[in-house]
Amino acid sequence: GENVEQHPSTLSVQEGDSAVIKCTYSDSASNYFPWYKQELGKGPQLIIDIRSNVGEKKDQRIAVTLNKTAKHFSLHITETQPEDSAVYFCAAGHQGAQKLVFGQGTRLTINP
Amino acid sequence: DTGVSQDPRHKITKRGQNVTFRCDPISEHNRLYWYRQTLGQGPEFLTYFQNEAQLEKSRLLSDRFSAERPKGSFSTLEIQRTEQGDSAMYLCASSPPASGGLDTQYFGPGTRLTVL
Repeated sequence: GENVEQHPSTLSVQEGDSAVIKCTYSDSASNYFPWYKQELGKGPQLIIDIRSNVGEKKDQRIAVTLNKTAKHFSLHITETQPEDSAVYFCAAGHQGAQKLVFGQGTRLTINP
Repeated sequence: DTGVSQDPRHKITKRGQNVTFRCDPISEHNRLYWYRQTLGQGPEFLTYFQNEAQLEKSRLLSDRFSAERPKGSFSTLEIQRTEQGDSAMYLCASSPPASGGLDTQYFGPGTRLTVL
């Protein structure tokens, strides 16, 4: 089955700097890669997703890149702000399985 | 547009008791998922419904767990004879009708279960 590895487990950056979180996946059939942000006591909230037919997607300060050959994808947050502090999860899935497999999460802390 | 709602938000129970959680998906979302999340880990898939049909179950879903979605709207997850290892956050997510691919899953706030 699918296995998703996420790094780093914790990340601390200065406000205004960029943050990068990386994930690798094992199942070459996976074709959908969402990123979720989870704040304490809340459910995961989708922040951006990418499908395998594109290599990059941007939404304001957030971007995701996908390398299908290497089976890895990354989340980039630019101009970080204190409210970006949270736990971020990557996930992978494909239509045949109808489920998402999540990484272990990255706790991002933005230092003012 | 109201999001996915879950009830209760917190449940404390004693080992051996039965508990039931409810999930109300986003209106007109015909696909519904249950996940379990333990502290410091990502969510793990438990089961999936399309309308009222339960189409997939994880091996994590032991015979003490049962999920239903009787009318294709809300869903319930029941855990019988709870064990301390069942302590976790139980998350529900829903997706709109399939559009040719795996669609976005929208998560609810979760039910935090503590088994004493």
